Amino acid sequence: AQSVSQHNHHVILSEAASLELGCNYSYGGTVNLFWYVQYPGQHLQLLLKYFSGDPLVKGIKGFEAEFIKSKFSFNLRKPSVQWSDTAEYFCAVLNTGGFKTIFGAGTRLFVKA
Amino acid sequence: NAGVTQTPKFRILKIGQSMTLQCTQDMNHNYMYWYRQDPGMGLKLIYYSVGAGITDKGEVPNGYNVSRSTTEDFPLRLELAAPSQTSVYFCASSETGGNTGELFFGEGSRLTVL
Repeated sequence: AQSVSQHNHHVILSEAASLELGCNYSYGGTVNLFWYVQYPGQHLQLLLKYFSGDPLVKGIKGFEAEFIKSKFSFNLRKPSVQWSDTAEYFCAVLNTGGFKTIFGAGTRLFVKA
Repeated sequence: NAGVTQTPKFRILKIGQSMTLQCTQDMNHNYMYWYRQDPGMGLKLIYYSVGAGITDKGEVPNGYNVSRSTTEDFPLRLELAAPSQTSVYFCASSETGGNTGELFFGEGSRLTVL
């Protein structure tokens, strides 16, 4: 069955530190990949997505992610985090042509001011 | 644009009670979903629908039912509530065509079963 694994459940960083959140998925076919973010007290919203083309995708608020097909990975990065990036981040996978988006367990990021 | 609207936002139920979580979207999306979110577990798909009159089970459907009589509405029914159903429930929708798959979420409904 399809699954998504996020490497870290909790991450604490100081402002201006660099961020990388790992995400691996298990599915042999073509996939669409997503990172969603949930700020405290808010609903999930899309951070960035990959469907095809350039494996390095850029999202909102300076986030980017790189799709490495050979590693089944879609890691999220940001060069310099801000206090306002404190949130929970979810990696998600949708097999192309399918209907069901599968989510990872999430990573809670806390950025110290 | 309202997007995806869920009601109620909070609810406390006693064991064995039943209730319906309402979800409506105004984006004319054909695909609609119900997820539950539990700490450290991410989001688990309960049920989904690819159009009016069509529903199917997700990863964790037991104890729930859904219906989809219109494109806009996708209510989730809990029968005989159990403590294991204490969770935050999210309704989501996505558009057909282009196969973008991006999900648009409601604000969530926090349910406690005591």
